[in-house]
Amino acid sequence: DGGITQSPKYLFRKEGQNVTLSCEQNLNHDAMYWYRQDPGQGLRLIYYSQIVNDFQKGDIAEGYSVSREKKESFPLTVTSAQKNPTAFYLCASSIGAGGADTQYFGPGTRLTVL
Amino acid sequence: KQEVTQIPAALSVPEGENLVLNCSFTDSAIYNLQWFRQDPGKGLTSLLLIQSSQREQTSGRLNASLDKSSGRSTLYIAASQPGDSATYLCAVMGGGADGLTFGKGTHLIIQP
Repeated sequence: DGGITQSPKYLFRKEGQNVTLSCEQNLNHDAMYWYRQDPGQGLRLIYYSQIVNDFQKGDIAEGYSVSREKKESFPLTVTSAQKNPTAFYLCASSIGAGGADTQYFGPGTRLTVL
Repeated sequence: KQEVTQIPAALSVPEGENLVLNCSFTDSAIYNLQWFRQDPGKGLTSLLLIQSSQREQTSGRLNASLDKSSGRSTLYIAASQPGDSATYLCAVMGGGADGLTFGKGTHLIIQP
């Protein structure tokens, strides 16, 4: 089955810890994205990558880091510098970043800070 | 900075009705506009994508229109069914192709 997988589904973090959220796709897509969703707010872009070994900050990148060493993988690290990390995190991918390229989303990871 | 607004925030209608969800955006320099569906606690499912040069797209009972100059899009759902109950999200990709800007969504309930 082709698609996007995110793990874990639920993640609990103590204050001061870094955690890494996994995102893998087997769609052979070049572009990958990370979004954050909070109750009552729209999704907000954290980081995006249009090609391997390159990525750009989105609207709310502070306290997060990413890597894109392989085409199929785009892990997101939530660092201790992120002041309010409790949220639902969604990863997406598209063939490219052009006007005809639909973004496909994974099932999400719900992060809770204890 | 692009802003996307969706009206209404919530809608409850009886099964079988035709309905319209509205989306507006402030910057008309977009690559595309996409409509998504989100079920509770789940990821997003893509419904329709309209490129900036297009006026509308159709898929089954769904029809989405785009008026780029006025910064508006509508999603029309024909003959609504209880299975259509979900949150519908509108999102635009700006001219820099740097990710989507989302509205807050319309929470739709179809009453059996």
